[in-house]
Amino acid sequence: NAGVMQNPRHLVRRRGQEARLRCSPMKGHSHVYWYRQLPEEGLKFMVYLQKENIIDESGMPKERFSAEFPKEGPSILRIQQVVRGDSAAYFCASSPSNWLNEQYFGPGTRLTVT
Amino acid sequence: AQTVTQSQPEMSVQEAETVTLSCTYDTSESNYYLFWYKQPPSRQMILVIRQEAYKQQNATENRFSVNFQKAAKSFSLKISDSQLGDTAMYFCAFTLNAGGTSYGKLTFGQGTILTVHP
Repeated sequence: NAGVMQNPRHLVRRRGQEARLRCSPMKGHSHVYWYRQLPEEGLKFMVYLQKENIIDESGMPKERFSAEFPKEGPSILRIQQVVRGDSAAYFCASSPSNWLNEQYFGPGTRLTVT
Repeated sequence: AQTVTQSQPEMSVQEAETVTLSCTYDTSESNYYLFWYKQPPSRQMILVIRQEAYKQQNATENRFSVNFQKAAKSFSLKISDSQLGDTAMYFCAFTLNAGGTSYGKLTFGQGTILTVHP
């Protein structure tokens, strides 16, 4: 059973470009969480999605950031017009349900904005 | 809002010895879960141990055990017989009982860098 997959593992973007981060949850998992880890800090919750629905986006910056989890395919975290402050590691976690309190993390995508 | 505090930015221990990492949290809720995650240099987040707040018995997983003090809102991690492979950043994390408005989202502490010396 493959674990949570994220790609790319490393992404370099120039200021003003768009970044697309992909997350494929574990088989049978329909709940996805995105977290951001700034340098030297802990992970911060960004958004929680179920298939085709955003359930809780209270941790998402109001502008430039969006997330989706379509019926088919991976979950996508999209950052438009990236700035240097977006440089961070972005982690995705998946769960079979939101009441089991078990989240399985992917290896993360390290975004560097130059 | 819930907060998690890890007051030890760095710790070190000799191989085969025991080390304890501290964590305190703040919440007004009574039904929640606590976790310790390990993040080695590969940056992969690995679940080490979990504790349900309604359970009085401290969780244990092989060489890892916790000291859960609910009244004091303290949740420390003890690593016995430390191994070189335990070198990593350790995060304490909290979540309210999922299924409610928290939806299981995790709140993390700032992390403690643990170095195991040979």
